[in-house]
Amino acid sequence: IAGITQAPTSQILAAGRRMTLRCTQDMRHNAMYWYRQDLGLGLRLIHYSNTAGTTGKGEVPDGYSVSRANTDDFPLTLASAVPSQTSVYFCASRETGGTGNYEQYFGPGTRLTVT
Amino acid sequence: DQQVKQNSPSLSVQEGRISILNCDYTNSMFDYFLWYKKYPAEGPTFLISISSIKDKNEDGRFTVFLNKSAKHLSLHIVPSQPGDSAVYFCAASALNNDYKLSFGAGTTVTVRA
Repeated sequence: IAGITQAPTSQILAAGRRMTLRCTQDMRHNAMYWYRQDLGLGLRLIHYSNTAGTTGKGEVPDGYSVSRANTDDFPLTLASAVPSQTSVYFCASRETGGTGNYEQYFGPGTRLTVT
Repeated sequence: DQQVKQNSPSLSVQEGRISILNCDYTNSMFDYFLWYKKYPAEGPTFLISISSIKDKNEDGRFTVFLNKSAKHLSLHIVPSQPGDSAVYFCAASALNNDYKLSFGAGTTVTVRA
């Protein structure tokens, strides 16, 4: 079982270019999340999806969009990258059925540098 | 405005001694708290959690204490081992927010041999 995979592992991107970060989970979790990690700020939620077909905005959604066409995939798109989007991006998932399922499971991350 | 704060960016501790990591929160609606551990170039991994109906939860060398009146929680690691050297994130969630996580900035723990 792979858990959560993210691609690419790292990327250098010119400002103004479009980029999609991929995230796939094989745990059949209902909820998925995108975070960015920046030094001194911890992890901040960008967008989330409680179930396939629905998405919502997190704390820092500007400049990003997501889609959730199925349970397994949750891509994050930067329509026109800017240097302030240089960060490490983590995808996470959580099973929402039953009780006591509050833990999120994280992927290995994508390191993005916008020049 | 961060609702979860870890005011100590780093902590250095001797192997075998106790590591104490602190976390404060401002949102009184938070009812579930988690600690995550992160190694360089890896994603965060879940370590231990506590519900607001408890004041202590223990799992092996790791114990989390919750003081709701002070809006404060702490993670104790005893004894500390070299493999515990990592960044530790405190996170909080609330039922009325679909249990989305709010994270602190993290504390980097270094365990000295």
